[in-house]
Amino acid sequence: RKEVEQDPGPFNVPEGATVAFNCTYSNSASQSFFWYRQDCRKEPKLLMSVYSSGNEDGRFTAQLNRASQYISLLIRDSKLSDSATYLCVVSGGTNFGNEKLTFGTGTRLTIIP
Amino acid sequence: EAQVTQNPRYLITVTGKKLTVTCSQNMNHEYMSWYRQDPGLGLRQIYYSMNVEVTDKGDVPEGYKVSRKEKRNFPLILESPSPNQTSLYFCASSVDTGLALYNEQFFGPGTRLTVL
Repeated sequence: RKEVEQDPGPFNVPEGATVAFNCTYSNSASQSFFWYRQDCRKEPKLLMSVYSSGNEDGRFTAQLNRASQYISLLIRDSKLSDSATYLCVVSGGTNFGNEKLTFGTGTRLTIIP
Repeated sequence: EAQVTQNPRYLITVTGKKLTVTCSQNMNHEYMSWYRQDPGLGLRQIYYSMNVEVTDKGDVPEGYKVSRKEKRNFPLILESPSPNQTSLYFCASSVDTGLALYNEQFFGPGTRLTVL
């Protein structure tokens, strides 16, 4: 089983729709979780961290389910500019501190006018 | 402007010819890291450094070397490149508060390397 698994998509979604992605992780000791956004041929950029209680940033909502070992990202009222690849990122969880980050392969999202 | 820079951005070379990809950050970050990104495999960590003179292997260190002589610079060295090292490489840095992975990773623009 992969350490971090995402549905690669592509998800083709009409503008204004709501879209949700899930990401599962295998290490139950993982401590930190993130969603990064990557535009075509560009560097990844942090979209949002994912907290145990769930968190929201404008149209974006992230949730963490430790029991089932998955995180989710919900995008409401999607815009054309949301078209990108979304990377799920999970800490190694073996020790507190500078353990490695593991990246999912990404979910490609295209918003259709 | 706070940033991570990488050079070169594009490089085509031949098998066995030593090369260095430079990485520099101006944010005074302690933690720096190198990743490679390949289709279907995502970003994989090659090496990371928690501070000057402290480096450690990531998931795919074979065929690579790094050094951290100064806080701002973290070069990636390929002593004898091979075609399977053809990839997109990213350098990243973050603040180290002792829990560095809770902090945002800032990525450089990437270096596209082709080894013939």
